[in-house]
Amino acid sequence: AQTVTQSQPEMSVQEAETVTLSCTYDTSENNYYLFWYKQPPSRQMILVIRQEAYKQQNATENRFSVNFQKAAKSFSLKISDSQLGDTAMYFCAFMKSNSGTYKYIFGTGTRLKVLA
Amino acid sequence: DAMVIQNPRYQVTQFGKPVTLSCSQTLNHNVMYWYQQKSSQAPKLLFHYYDKDFNNEADTPDNFQSRRPNTSFCFLDIRSPGLGDAAMYLCATSSSTTYAETQYFGPGTRLLVL
Repeated sequence: AQTVTQSQPEMSVQEAETVTLSCTYDTSENNYYLFWYKQPPSRQMILVIRQEAYKQQNATENRFSVNFQKAAKSFSLKISDSQLGDTAMYFCAFMKSNSGTYKYIFGTGTRLKVLA
Repeated sequence: DAMVIQNPRYQVTQFGKPVTLSCSQTLNHNVMYWYQQKSSQAPKLLFHYYDKDFNNEADTPDNFQSRRPNTSFCFLDIRSPGLGDAAMYLCATSSSTTYAETQYFGPGTRLLVL
């Protein structure tokens, strides 16, 4: 079975600095998808970034980028120029086809606090 | 803006008293999901609807049921809530399950069982 591990339950970072959240996963599949979701306090979970395993290039969305190491099964999220609005719970998620149906497997999350 | 709406945001019920949580969407997505998220844990998929087809996860207790009367609405029914059912319940939607589509989440309903 696939598992997703986020080893940092909580992190903090000073405003304007860079922080990296780690995520590792376990799978024997070759084709799969990886996601980072952000869940701000009392607000809905929103997609930050996604990565297709067949793409070697790391995905980037403005201040958010990933370091995808397929051989190491690692998918870390880097947030540059951290802002107070980045304070949230961050979930790493894995997705692959299971009998033709795609479902998420989520990690347990990392709570990030950006300090003023 | 197209969105996923959950009502109520907070729900208090008594042990054993049936409760219904609701979700609506303006995205016109085919798929609607229900997740249970306990404190400091990952969201856990309970079931999903693809159009009118109901798909239950193997480890979802029978105490949890769902209804989808039309494309826009989906309900989560907890027939006899126990203390262990206190959690955040998240509704999500996507256009399909046959590709790795992004899911769009609602803000959740926090359920408290007294």
